[in-house]
Amino acid sequence: EVQLQQSGAELGKPGTSVKLSCKVSGYNIRNTYMHWVNQRPGKGLEWIGRIDPANGNTIYAEKFKSKATLTADTSSNTAYMQLSQLKSDDTAIYFCAMDPGPGRMDAWGQGASVTVSS
Amino acid sequence: DIVLTQSPATLSVTPGESVSLSCRASQGISTSIHWYQQKSNESPRLLIKYASQSISGIPSRFSGSGSGTDFTLSINRVESEDFSVYYCQQSYSLPYTFGAGTKLELK
Repeated sequence: EVQLQQSGAELGKPGTSVKLSCKVSGYNIRNTYMHWVNQRPGKGLEWIGRIDPANGNTIYAEKFKSKATLTADTSSNTAYMQLSQLKSDDTAIYFCAMDPGPGRMDAWGQGASVTVSS
Repeated sequence: DIVLTQSPATLSVTPGESVSLSCRASQGISTSIHWYQQKSNESPRLLIKYASQSISGIPSRFSGSGSGTDFTLSINRVESEDFSVYYCQQSYSLPYTFGAGTKLELK
């Protein structure tokens, strides 16, 4: 059974950074894309970007190009997303999702809450 | 970017009714559309891939259809566990985009 286990809730101050993790079990992330999606309070799903862990190639939605940095460690089968220069607008639930290709998100992490507050 | 427009925003039904949820793309996307269900305070779950392909473990009352710009998620005889929000997502071109969702609620 494929499982995606995300790191816990984060409380960050404006202007700081947080790094979220997503550990995959039951599937080798070299054989999949890893996506990150957010959901602001009471809102819908928003695609942030994806990484190909096999080669580190990344693609971001335009609005997240200077906000999010996606990385992956194939040795630990874990994907990461760093959010920088936090603002109150970054307060959201962040999900990782696995895409064995191409384009659909087969399995999702449980979500990680990020709250930005001074 | 491809815009996905879902309608209606909210659909009020009684258990046992059959329903259709719509997703319209701003340009032709072949069958590169996927449907997700998100229950309150849970992660999304993939229901249908590539417009009409079923997913293992998903009840057979869920089905999808369409190609080009117009897509439909159908639920045959809604059950109480189906009341949640449904999203469509396109993978025709990057950046991937989601529709705003349709909330299926109890009448």
